[in-house]
Amino acid sequence: DTEVTQTPKHLVMGMTNKKSLKCEQHMGHRAMYWYKQKAKKPPELMFVYSYEKLSINESVPSRFSPECPNSSLLNLHLHALQPEDSALYLCASSQVGETWVKEQFFGPGTRLTVL
Amino acid sequence: SQQGEEDPQALSIQEGENATMNCSYKTSINNLQWYRQNSGRGLVHLILIRSNEREKHSGRLRVTLDTSKKSSSLLITASRAADTASYFCATTSTGGFKTIFGAGTRLFVKA
Repeated sequence: DTEVTQTPKHLVMGMTNKKSLKCEQHMGHRAMYWYKQKAKKPPELMFVYSYEKLSINESVPSRFSPECPNSSLLNLHLHALQPEDSALYLCASSQVGETWVKEQFFGPGTRLTVL
Repeated sequence: SQQGEEDPQALSIQEGENATMNCSYKTSINNLQWYRQNSGRGLVHLILIRSNEREKHSGRLRVTLDTSKKSSSLLITASRAADTASYFCATTSTGGFKTIFGAGTRLFVKA
């Protein structure tokens, strides 16, 4: 299984809502990533988990809260978002080499709209 | 600040022609990768070149890396309409997970 799945595919939420994005992989990858991508822009790294521990937080606002319950799952909890947070949220996973990171496998993304 | 810069921003060619995209970066890297993204979808990994490699091939793809100039190029030969997509380079810093994507090149291949 070489697939990264993400749910939901689309999400519309109000600024007072709480929602969660989910990501799953069964490739045995020990690094998992969240990216945010605005239209016609490149993906921007938000968080990286390595061996289920938060390795990188790219100064993301606290209204985004990541969670890695186990080596296959990655969640992104959303609360009190702003309209400018509307974007495509991409999850990815990769193997971890001794001193370097291998290619990342991406999910199809969740298209989030904040009203 | 953004690590990878790509040019051209957009490229329109006829089917059968070759397409070349360039990427520049600013800091030391462990490896450089190229990804393809069809409109509004997830990214697909194309090829990875490590910092100690100079050239790599995969099917119709050829990637070069010049660490002295901090630049890379992706050549797609004999392009097809199905190659229409956005192409991004991505660099991973030495010893870390931080991956930074370039601005991307939007390729349009006319049938």
